[in-house]
Amino acid sequence: QQPVQSPQAVILREGEDAVINCSSSKALYSVHWYRQKHGEAPVFLMILLKGGEQKGHDKISASFNEKKQQSSLYLTASQLSYSGTYFCGTEVGSSNTGKLIFGQGTTLQVKP
Amino acid sequence: DTAVSQTPKYLVTQMGNDKSIKCEQNLGHDTMYWYKQDSKKFLKIMFSYNNKELIINETVPNRFSPKSPDKAHLNLHINSLELGDSAVYFCASSRGGVGELFFGEGSRLTVL
Repeated sequence: QQPVQSPQAVILREGEDAVINCSSSKALYSVHWYRQKHGEAPVFLMILLKGGEQKGHDKISASFNEKKQQSSLYLTASQLSYSGTYFCGTEVGSSNTGKLIFGQGTTLQVKP
Repeated sequence: DTAVSQTPKYLVTQMGNDKSIKCEQNLGHDTMYWYKQDSKKFLKIMFSYNNKELIINETVPNRFSPKSPDKAHLNLHINSLELGDSAVYFCASSRGGVGELFFGEGSRLTVL
C-alpha cells in the first residue's frame, strides 16, 4: 500500500530542474508532498485533491494523474535551500480517510 | 510559540523499560497523530485521534498506548521497550481529516 517514489536520490547543481515521481498501486483520493531537512520535521509543501490537478508553489509545482494513480513534483531552477528528503503521502480510496501513507522518500542534494 | 511541541526531544533507555512522550498543539486542530520514522527514514503512521477519540490504530504492538486527555494533547506510552523501537517519533496535527500536517520537532528514542 506504500507509494513508490523515484528516483531514490538526485544530485543537482543550482539552477537545474528535477522531477520526483510517486506511484500507487491503489486508487488515490489525495496526494500530499512534504520536504524534510536533516534533523528536522517534515514540512508541508502542497496537497492535490483532484485528478489532473496541478498546483504551484513558487518554483515548486506538482501534478496528480488520478487515472494513472501517480503524482509528480517539479522543482525548477533549484536553489541550495531545496536540499532535503521529499516525501509523497497518499490517501487511498474515494474519500477522505484521515490516513496518510508516505513513500520511502527521495533525497535531493543541490550543489553550488 | 511552537505550534506542535513534543517532550522530551531525546530519550536514551535500556531494553525492558517503560517511557512516555508528550505532545501538545496550540493550533486549535481537531486531529492529532503519531508517526514513527526509522533509520531508513520510512515515515509510518501509528495512531490518529480526532477530538480525543481514536480513529486510526495501525498494526502497532500492544506495548504502545496512546492517550489523549483533550484535543490539544496526545501522549504516547511505550512499555517493555525493545531495540526495534529505536526511532524518531513525530507528533502531528491537522484541521479535520487529512489536511496539512503540522509536525512537532520529533523525539529521538534510543533503546540500548
